[in-house]
Amino acid sequence: EDQVTQSPEALRLQEGESSSLNCSYTVSGLRGLFWYRQDPGKGPEFLFTLYSAGEEKEKERLKATLTKKESFLHITAPKPEDSATYLCATFSGGYQKVTFGIGTKLQVIP
Amino acid sequence: IAGITQAPTSQILAAGRRMTLRCTQDMRHNAMYWYRQDLGLGLRLIHYSNTAGTTGKGEVPDGYSVSRANTDDFPLTLASAVPSQTSVYFCASKWQTNTGELFFGEGSRLTVL
Repeated sequence: EDQVTQSPEALRLQEGESSSLNCSYTVSGLRGLFWYRQDPGKGPEFLFTLYSAGEEKEKERLKATLTKKESFLHITAPKPEDSATYLCATFSGGYQKVTFGIGTKLQVIP
Repeated sequence: IAGITQAPTSQILAAGRRMTLRCTQDMRHNAMYWYRQDLGLGLRLIHYSNTAGTTGKGEVPDGYSVSRANTDDFPLTLASAVPSQTSVYFCASKWQTNTGELFFGEGSRLTVL
């Protein structure tokens, strides 16, 4: 059974304090890994897709990386507007097989 | 603005009642999905449709049904609601079934009493 585990469950950072969120996975036949941002009361918003180990994607203060067993979402000098829940999801095997992690709730304090 | 529209935004429902959650997309995406999101469990797939006229069961299909009469609409029906169906429901779509990211609606919060 495919599993996606995100850590930590919650993270509180001071503004400007860089950190990383982890997404570890056990997936048969990984085809891709997604990162989403979800604000309270809203639907998930797509951030990145990573397809192979060693790949990196960047967007503003966010950088996502992928290895054969895990992905990291690095947040550099975060701002309060980066506060949200970040979801990781893997895409594998059959085309409906998208497995989501529970998410990391990030709070950035001014 | 192109995207996914879900209705209602929020609903309180008595157990045993029938309820249909509506989902419409204007991106001409082929594939559409219904997920439920519960605290501590993450997003779980209920039903999906690869293209108009076809549907399939996801991870947690019991108690739910869907139809896909055209490309744009993908309603989710609870025939006889139960309290365990209290959740936030998200409709999503993507262009191709075997690749590409999902685009999500804003969700429908359903409470079954």
